[in-house]
Amino acid sequence: LAKTTQPISMDSYEGQEVNITCSHNNIATNDYITWYQQFPSQGPRFIIQGYKTKVTNEVASLFIPADRKSSTLSLPRVSLSDTAVYYCLVGDGENNDMRFGAGTRLTVKP
Amino acid sequence: DGGITQSPKYLFRKEGQNVTLSCEQNLNHDAMYWYRQDPGQGLRLIYYSQIVNDFQKGDIAEGYSVSREKKESFPLTVTSAQKNPTAFYLCASSTGPRTTYEQYFGPGTRLTVT
Repeated sequence: LAKTTQPISMDSYEGQEVNITCSHNNIATNDYITWYQQFPSQGPRFIIQGYKTKVTNEVASLFIPADRKSSTLSLPRVSLSDTAVYYCLVGDGENNDMRFGAGTRLTVKP
Repeated sequence: DGGITQSPKYLFRKEGQNVTLSCEQNLNHDAMYWYRQDPGQGLRLIYYSQIVNDFQKGDIAEGYSVSREKKESFPLTVTSAQKNPTAFYLCASSTGPRTTYEQYFGPGTRLTVT
């Protein structure tokens, strides 16, 4: 199972673009990359998932380079309500296994 | 509205008592999961079920038990054998394998054992 490494915390200001990078050097061929967002005392919420190149939805973009050893979650023009913990997960498709690390605590300031 | 419900939101028990946490979903999902979260940490998988009448242990199953008699329901029992049961418990479900399908999480149950 590929281990993921992401920054413990990040600060940003309202209106800025935020990029959170996750390292997963041992990612396997079958693995997908998934990001979740969690607010205090709530369950995580799915943000985005990708396998390679770029994926975009209404809330975020996910950039995955060709070697897939890292990925970057991009949040455009963050607001105070984007303050949360963001988890990067790499899923072992063959064994249906994935692990939540400690995540990145993003604080958006006014 | 479709979703996952967990009850109660807060639960208090005395040490040595078993306690059952409820999880119900009306999303028609085959797979269901139980996670535990401790302060400042990520989620850890307790048990999961990919189909009715079948379930598998996750990373920290000791001291917990589950059943999956109905597709909609996946209750978790925290037994007296669980040494540190105080935690935030989250239930989730997905259409297929969690590695490739979105997991939908419930609001959680915060269990305090004294």
